[in-house]
Amino acid sequence: EPEVTQTPSHQVTQMGQEVILRCVPISNHLYFYWYRQILGQKVEFLVSFYNNEISEKSEIFDDQFSVERPDGSNFTLKIRSTKLEDSAMYFCASSEEYSQETQYFGPGTRLLVL
Amino acid sequence: DAKTTQPTSMDCAEGRAANLPCNHSTISGNEYVYWYRQIHSQGPQYIIHGLKNNETNEMASLIITEDRKSSTLILPHATLRDTAVYYCIVRVASGNTGKLIFGQGTTLQVKP
Repeated sequence: EPEVTQTPSHQVTQMGQEVILRCVPISNHLYFYWYRQILGQKVEFLVSFYNNEISEKSEIFDDQFSVERPDGSNFTLKIRSTKLEDSAMYFCASSEEYSQETQYFGPGTRLLVL
Repeated sequence: DAKTTQPTSMDCAEGRAANLPCNHSTISGNEYVYWYRQIHSQGPQYIIHGLKNNETNEMASLIITEDRKSSTLILPHATLRDTAVYYCIVRVASGNTGKLIFGQGTTLQVKP
């Protein structure tokens, strides 16, 4: 069964450093998403992406964040200058269509900012 | 998207049916009811969704009341691996947003 994959599974970085989280969505999917979950809190929407542009973003997704689909398979989330409060699990998801269709989530990247 | 209300936690005996309720009294006519679950620290996993008819798949059944103001997710024979946080989400069928809005969900503990 096709699945969303994410790398790395764990990332430790120093405050102020840039990190890039990588995702490989399911191959025939067209819509891509990033969510995050701070330890003990709810899963929160960050951004959705379609046709090489952002469709929607949340208040969390400020200028420090960016997304890119650099090739036909990868979808990345970049945090330019990490803060302590960026420590969280980051989940990538993809779907075939936008609103109604099921989103399939990856296993997540655990980011720890020291 | 409509707000949902779920119990914070529930227990279920292994092998028995787990019935997880969800209230969504402000649901609109074009909003679907989705259920996802999250096993400890893993990515959310889709379970089932429906509009107004009851639905069943290999994982679960979804019972939606006639007025659509509440629903119940049924895991017919719960196993220890079904221990997870279960999220009920209502979401428009079409429109300009694809995001899922997660609440706190129900923590289901399946006990031997």
